[in-house]
Amino acid sequence: GQNIDQPTEMTATEGAIVQINCTYQTSGFNGLFWYQQHAGEAPTFLSYNVLDGLEEKGRFSSFLSRSKGYSYLLLKELQMKDSASYLCAVSGLFHGSGNTGKLIFGQGTTLQVKP
Amino acid sequence: NAGVTQTPKFRILKIGQSMTLQCTQDMNHNYMYWYRQDPGMGLKLIYYSVGAGITDKGEVPNGYNVSRSTTEDFPLRLELAAPSQTSVYFCASSPTRQGETQYFGPGTRLLVL
Repeated sequence: GQNIDQPTEMTATEGAIVQINCTYQTSGFNGLFWYQQHAGEAPTFLSYNVLDGLEEKGRFSSFLSRSKGYSYLLLKELQMKDSASYLCAVSGLFHGSGNTGKLIFGQGTTLQVKP
Repeated sequence: NAGVTQTPKFRILKIGQSMTLQCTQDMNHNYMYWYRQDPGMGLKLIYYSVGAGITDKGEVPNGYNVSRSTTEDFPLRLELAAPSQTSVYFCASSPTRQGETQYFGPGTRLLVL
């Protein structure tokens, strides 16, 4: 079956570093996405990992280990505006003859940044 | 480009009523998706489409129907609304299959009473 696990809530202090973990078990794997979702808004793309290792993009980095079914999102120099939910999603669930681009989402991690 | 647009933004339905949630994208994306998001939860895939005339079920299709007559439009139909369908509905589209992110619409908040 398919399963994606993330912590439900995290709290961190402005200016600090926080790591949000995601573990997954899926049938077929074609990449892992991280999305940010502010309350009442649509998810927006943060990062994509398909190979093992770290992808850095400004204050945000994402890591993937396919053998361990594990990813994390690292947020540095936290700002108040980073308070949001962070969704881990896995792509590559095959249907029929090919990859449909479908994503399976975790429940999301709500991050609260405090002054 | 407007991206992905959804209408209405908010709707209240009575149990047993029907409605159609509209979704349109102007990016010429082949793939389109409908998700629902319950409070404090992630997104669950309802239906998806890999091109005009082709649709398939996702994780939670019961109580919903879709059609894809054009590349741009992917409406979601609710028949006989139930309180369990109270949720926020997001439509998304993506250009290709591998490595391309999905672009989400602003969402439709539905309340079934």
